[in-house]
Amino acid sequence: DGGITQSPKYLFRKEGQNVTLSCEQNLNHDAMYWYRQDPGQGLRLIYYSQIVNDFQKGDIAEGYSVSREKKESFPLTVTSAQKNPTAFYLCASSVSAAAYEKLFFGSGTQLSVL
Amino acid sequence: AQTVTQSQPEMSVQEAETVTLSCTYDTSESDYYLFWYKQPPSRQMILVIRQEAYKQQNATENRFSVNFQKAAKSFSLKISDSQLGDAAMYFCAYSRRETSGSRLTFGEGTQLTVNP
Repeated sequence: DGGITQSPKYLFRKEGQNVTLSCEQNLNHDAMYWYRQDPGQGLRLIYYSQIVNDFQKGDIAEGYSVSREKKESFPLTVTSAQKNPTAFYLCASSVSAAAYEKLFFGSGTQLSVL
Repeated sequence: AQTVTQSQPEMSVQEAETVTLSCTYDTSESDYYLFWYKQPPSRQMILVIRQEAYKQQNATENRFSVNFQKAAKSFSLKISDSQLGDAAMYFCAYSRRETSGSRLTFGEGTQLTVNP
């Protein structure tokens, strides 16, 4: 079945540690996104990528980094510079980055700080 | 900056009844897109319906329809014949017609409960 796979489902970060969230898609989509969801708030865009080897900052990119070396993969690293990383992280993809495109989402990763 | 407001944090409806979720947005653009996404307990977001601002006709998808009032900047979602599976968090979202990047702005969400 085609879709987006995020792993792990739950992740714990220690003080000063970098952690990486995985996102893989087999939909052959060009565009991929990372969103952060906090309780009682809507989703906020962290980074997005329109094509392989290219990515742009979203609204809350500070303390995060990404790479897009393969079309299928768009991992997100939460660095130690992100002082409040506890949140639910959603990865998404779309056929293209055009504004009208439907986003397909993964099942998310819940990140907590130990 | 664009903002999206959902003024109803929680709503409930009886099974088989109709419910309307409200959404307002603020923009100076004339051409844009509006979306309703559903987040069930599994937390995987799913597109429910989308509307192009330049189209006068309200979008419909089976039991889901919208009331798009461009002048009032209002975009409500009507769910007819509500089913237990409709219980979820519903997010309204806005996107400008940009040539690069899909920059969705989401509202805070409305938690819908469906009572049997």
